[in-house]
Amino acid sequence: RKEVEQDPGPFNVPEGATVAFNCTYSNSASQSFFWYRQDCRKEPKLLMSVYSSGNEDGRFTAQLNRASQYISLLIRDSKLSDSATYLCVVNMGGGTGGFKTIFGAGTRLFVKA
Amino acid sequence: GAVVSQHPSWVICKSGTSVKIECRSLDFQATTMFWYRQFPKQSLMLMATSNEGSKATYEQGVEKDKFLINHASLTLSTLTVTSAHPEDSSFYICSALQDGADTQYFGPGTRLTVL
Repeated sequence: RKEVEQDPGPFNVPEGATVAFNCTYSNSASQSFFWYRQDCRKEPKLLMSVYSSGNEDGRFTAQLNRASQYISLLIRDSKLSDSATYLCVVNMGGGTGGFKTIFGAGTRLFVKA
Repeated sequence: GAVVSQHPSWVICKSGTSVKIECRSLDFQATTMFWYRQFPKQSLMLMATSNEGSKATYEQGVEKDKFLINHASLTLSTLTVTSAHPEDSSFYICSALQDGADTQYFGPGTRLTVL
């Protein structure tokens, strides 16, 4: 089982649609969680951190469920510019084990006019 | 926001030559930086963790003698691909972990093509 799993998609949605991405992680000791966005042939860019209390930034809402080891990202009122690959990222460690970041393989989103 | 630069942004070299890629955190200190590689249509793969003032930690399957990492200051890490071969052609991305935080900021990447 992969340490971080995402549905690769692609998700093809019309402009204005609401779309949700899910991510699961296997290590219960994981400490912090993020969603990154990566455009084609570009570096990943931080979209938002994810907390158990939920985190909202404009049209984007992220949620963490530690009991289920599950992370979600909701995008409302999709724009053409939202088309990208969304990466679920989990940080583990510190201490003697060292800091470790695990990336999901990404979920591709295409928003169409 | 935190900015990470990478240089060069792209490089084409002949097989057998060495290529050095620089990663700089421009407005923050980063004791820890990471080097990733990404092949087309694949996810980021961590190659190594670079720690200022100590040896890098390499992931399984990554040859430390081929991919030399030096983290000489709190704002600079370098990756040298030695004796490059066509199969080393890839998108190399660094990231810097801001001291005291757990968020990584990525450089814009270096696209390496080995002929």
